Amino acid sequence: GAGVSQSPRYKVAKRGQDVALRCDPISGHVSLFWYQQALGQGPEFLTYFQNEAQLDKSGLPSDRFFAERPEGSVSTLKIQRTQQEDSAVYLCASSFPGQGPTSSYEQYFGPGTRLTVT
Amino acid sequence: EDQVTQSPEALRLQEGESSSLNCSYTVSGLRGLFWYRQDPGKGPEFLFTLYSAGEEKEKERLKATLTKKESFLHITAPKPEDSATYLCAVRILHRDNYGQNFVFGPGTRLSVLP
Repeated sequence: GAGVSQSPRYKVAKRGQDVALRCDPISGHVSLFWYQQALGQGPEFLTYFQNEAQLDKSGLPSDRFFAERPEGSVSTLKIQRTQQEDSAVYLCASSFPGQGPTSSYEQYFGPGTRLTVT
Repeated sequence: EDQVTQSPEALRLQEGESSSLNCSYTVSGLRGLFWYRQDPGKGPEFLFTLYSAGEEKEKERLKATLTKKESFLHITAPKPEDSATYLCAVRILHRDNYGQNFVFGPGTRLSVLP
């Protein structure tokens, strides 16, 4: 089966432009996560969906960032009025958590979208 | 504040030279510690999950262990193809039992020279 896919792989935006990043999770995966990864750093949590419900958006850095997953599968991360500090790799991950306290919560990551704001 | 640190920041080994990577964490509501491998230009790839102190997991040349405050990733007789960045992450469950997030460390860049 196919893994997590993200598009576009690379995006160059001029400061002030709006961008939309797409994530196609593994079919049947309930949970979907967005992360921001700066060069040389670990991924930083942005937001989490369980099916179509956005259960945690505590990591979104400002109200310019918005994420949705309207039908519980594909998700879009939108950044309005991009700034240079938004330049990073945006990673999407999906998982299918099982039941019980020791269920596996490993995430399957996409290749990321590298956003460069000029 | 929930925090995950990793050491060393970078490590160079000769092929066959065993070593260990460290992941230390200060979190509340821990519900699992995860190790991932990340190759340049790719997303992280899952390696292990550990849930309780004393737990160990093994896969080929890698073994992960967990204590109450840290985890170790032991690499035995590494090969050049083990070169990558190794990330650890902790899963934090919110009090409402619905929200969750994962806090990643900065990673250890491992280079194994032939």
